[in-house]
Amino acid sequence: EAQVTQNPRYLITVTGKKLTVTCSQNMNHEYMSWYRQDPGLGLRQIYYSMNVEVTDKGDVPEGYKVSRKEKRNFPLILESPSPNQTSLYFCASSLSRDWGNTIYFGEGSWLTVV
Amino acid sequence: AQKVTQAQTEISVVEKEDVTLDCVYETRDTTYYLFWYKQPPSGELVFLIRRNSFDEQNEISGRYSWNFQKSTSSFNFTITASQVVDSAVYFCALSEALNSGNTPLVFGKGTRLSVIA
Repeated sequence: EAQVTQNPRYLITVTGKKLTVTCSQNMNHEYMSWYRQDPGLGLRQIYYSMNVEVTDKGDVPEGYKVSRKEKRNFPLILESPSPNQTSLYFCASSLSRDWGNTIYFGEGSWLTVV
Repeated sequence: AQKVTQAQTEISVVEKEDVTLDCVYETRDTTYYLFWYKQPPSGELVFLIRRNSFDEQNEISGRYSWNFQKSTSSFNFTITASQVVDSAVYFCALSEALNSGNTPLVFGKGTRLSVIA
């Protein structure tokens, strides 16, 4: 079954404690990206990756890092989380950066930073 | 630059009423894709439809229908005979087809639909 898996789904953490949200897809997709969703703002892209070892900033990259060492995984790293990073996070993948291809979203990760 | 506007922040209807969710977009590209997603209270994003800019035919899927009009840059979504299970946040999104570089999905801010029994 084609899927994008995110972990954890729910997390409450404290300011400054490094955390990683993992994202894994089983479709051999080249293009992966992270979005955050905030009330009244819709979804905004944080980082994207066009392929292994190719990553770049989206619209709201501050406070985040990513890596793409293997095609299937695209973790989102919060080195020193702050309360303004409390959000719902989505990982997405697609065969290529052309969104004419089907886009698959993970189920979302609810992150609270206190 | 790409932009998607969903002017309706919240809509409430009584069950069995028809409801239309508006979506207006801006893009400089001639080739682009438009999407609608549903987000139920559980939080996941449920894909509803993808339409490319060259296909202006309206589409119907059960109680759902979409009206794409390039002349007004709109891609409106209508639910006929609404049901309580339709209660959710609905997002319209746009992506330009191929650019040098990133082609992110640009989302509207969403419309929260509440269907009251």
